[in-house]
Amino acid sequence: EAQVTQNPRYLITVTGKKLTVTCSQNMNHEYMSWYRQDPGLGLRQIYYSMNVEVTDKGDVPEGYKVSRKEKRNFPLILESPSPNQTSLYFCASSDGQGSDTQYFGPGTRLTVL
Amino acid sequence: AQSVSQHNHHVILSEAASLELGCNYSYGGTVNLFWYVQYPGQHLQLLLKYFSGDPLVKGIKGFEAEFIKSKFSFNLRKPSVQWSDTAEYFCAVNAGGYQKVTFGTGTKLQVIP
Repeated sequence: EAQVTQNPRYLITVTGKKLTVTCSQNMNHEYMSWYRQDPGLGLRQIYYSMNVEVTDKGDVPEGYKVSRKEKRNFPLILESPSPNQTSLYFCASSDGQGSDTQYFGPGTRLTVL
Repeated sequence: AQSVSQHNHHVILSEAASLELGCNYSYGGTVNLFWYVQYPGQHLQLLLKYFSGDPLVKGIKGFEAEFIKSKFSFNLRKPSVQWSDTAEYFCAVNAGGYQKVTFGTGTKLQVIP
């Protein structure tokens, strides 16, 4: 089944404790992206990647890192999480770069205390 | 920079009522436009998209949207809503040639049986 998977689905952590949210897709898509969803703000793009080793900032990249060492994986790294990063995070992938349909993962609900 | 506005934050309709959700974007060049839907507890999924050609596009579940370039709008419509249309709807824009995707803040639709 074609899908985007994220792990973990739920995470509660404390300020400053490094964490990684994994994202994997099995559709051989070149484009992958991370979003955060906050009430009243919709989805905001954090980072995107156009292919292996090619990443770029979205609208809200501060406090986040990404890497794209393999085509299928695009982990999101929070080196020193803060409470304002408490949010619902979505990973997405697309076959046609940013201009094509994106397929979303189930989301990761992160709480930073 | 591209941006998207969704003016209706929360819409409540009775079954069989007609629906129109507003979406306006700001970008002077070529754009790709999308409507995504997030049903309760489910992934975001594509409803419809506009890249070029006929400005009236039809999507899944009886939804359609019209691209009006002069008004920078891409409003979503459905002639008769059902209870199962209860969801959050997001408009998104990708400026042609760029990889960023910008989402609106979303509209929560509640359909009352």
